[in-house]
Amino acid sequence: NAGVTQTPKFRVLKTGQSMTLLCAQDMNHEYMYWYRQDPGMGLRLIHYSVGEGTTAKGEVPDGYNVSRLKKQNFLLGLESAAPSQTSVYFCATMGGRLNTGELFFGEGSRLTVL
Amino acid sequence: AQKVTQAQTEISVVEKEDVTLDCVYETRDTTYYLFWYKQPPSGELVFLIRRNSFDEQNEISGRYSWNFQKSTSSFNFTITASQVVDSAVYFCALSEVSNFGNEKLTFGTGTRLTIIP
Repeated sequence: NAGVTQTPKFRVLKTGQSMTLLCAQDMNHEYMYWYRQDPGMGLRLIHYSVGEGTTAKGEVPDGYNVSRLKKQNFLLGLESAAPSQTSVYFCATMGGRLNTGELFFGEGSRLTVL
Repeated sequence: AQKVTQAQTEISVVEKEDVTLDCVYETRDTTYYLFWYKQPPSGELVFLIRRNSFDEQNEISGRYSWNFQKSTSSFNFTITASQVVDSAVYFCALSEVSNFGNEKLTFGTGTRLTIIP
C-alpha cells in the first residue's frame, strides 16, 4: 500500500522551463493538497482540491496551475519556472468532509530552479 | 484570516529534560481544529494530534502532552523526558470549518527541536 506518492523526487530546472509534479494516492481520499516548504516559512498551501474535477487556490497560488482529472491524481504544474519557486513540495491527502483533519503526506519533491 | 505563530524557531535541550513548544493561533471562527505535526530529519510529515475548539481538556499520550487554552489562544506541546528520537521540526496547524468541512490547514513556521545526547 503506497499511500501518497510524489514524482519526481528531485528535479533541477532552468528559469523559464516548465514541469509537472504528480501526486498519486491509493487511499480513495477526497481532498488533495499541494504545499511548499521553505526555510523559516513553514508549509504554505499552493492549491487544493476537494474532489475530482475541482480545484481551489491556496495561500500562494501564483505561478502554479493544478488539475484533478482523476480522483487519485493531483498534478501541480509550473508553466515558466522562476528561482523563487525553488522549494520542497509536499502533496497531502485527507479523507473528506467528515474527516479527522489528519493529512497524509507524500515524501516531498525537491525542486531547484537555476 | 487565520494565523499560527510558533515564536520559538529553534530549541536545544539535553536528553531527559522536559521541553515545551509554544503555539499561538488567531481565528475569527468559534469552530476550528488545532493540530501538531512532526517532521523528523528524514523529511516526512507525521500527524501527532487533533483538537477541536470545544474540547479544552488536556491530552496526554505517553511522553507527549498538549495544553489547549482558548483564553490565551494557545495550544502548547510538552515532551517529558526527551529522547534523541524526538529531534525534529514540529509544526502547529489550524483549520477552520467551512461548508466543505475543515479542509484547509494553516501551518506555523515550525520549531526545530534538537535533543542533545
